[in-house]
Amino acid sequence: GQQLNQSPQSMFIQEGEDVSMNCTSSSIFNTWLWYKQDPGEGPVLLIALYKAGELTSNGRLTAQFGITRKDSFLNISASIPSDVGIYFCAGRSPGTSYGKLTFGQGTILTVHP
Amino acid sequence: DTAVSQTPKYLVTQMGNDKSIKCEQNLGHDTMYWYKQDSKKFLKIMFSYNNKELIINETVPNRFSPKSPDKAHLNLHINSLELGDSAVYFCASSQEQLPSGYTFGSGTRLTVV
Repeated sequence: GQQLNQSPQSMFIQEGEDVSMNCTSSSIFNTWLWYKQDPGEGPVLLIALYKAGELTSNGRLTAQFGITRKDSFLNISASIPSDVGIYFCAGRSPGTSYGKLTFGQGTILTVHP
Repeated sequence: DTAVSQTPKYLVTQMGNDKSIKCEQNLGHDTMYWYKQDSKKFLKIMFSYNNKELIINETVPNRFSPKSPDKAHLNLHINSLELGDSAVYFCASSQEQLPSGYTFGSGTRLTVV
């Protein structure tokens, strides 16, 4: 089946630093999504991408849909303590129906004040 | 007001027991899902229902039986619980053609002892 490789697995940064994480797939996707999961909660959608090359921002977050359709990245600028959590990429492949998403392994982000 | 609500939040039970987790969504979505998140935080889809019809069954043991009495509810019944069933189970819903509307519940932490 499809696999998503998300990296890095974890990051320890100082408040104010920028963060970058990415996902690569063994096959093409037609949708890329980025989620954040806080402790004890379900993942919450941050950004959705639908076209190759698309670059979308949501506040301090920016994500891009790779030109090859096999990768995506998420950047967080000027990190703050509340950015702590697990970030997941997810993708939907062509011909997949009923919202079936494949998730990456997650990036655990720790921000030191 | 909660969009996707699942109960209970925590469930501790002995091996061999049968238990159920309930999920309800008030978003008017036509598709609902169950995901399992293991101890490494990996999210994997288990089931998907579209308008009460089973669409996805991802090689889940038949001890797990989803039931959808209507399109706003998707319950998960687990028979003969095993230690390896311990995980966090997330319910989610979406409108099939709009993956950006994928909304997760806050999870049920199942511990089998």
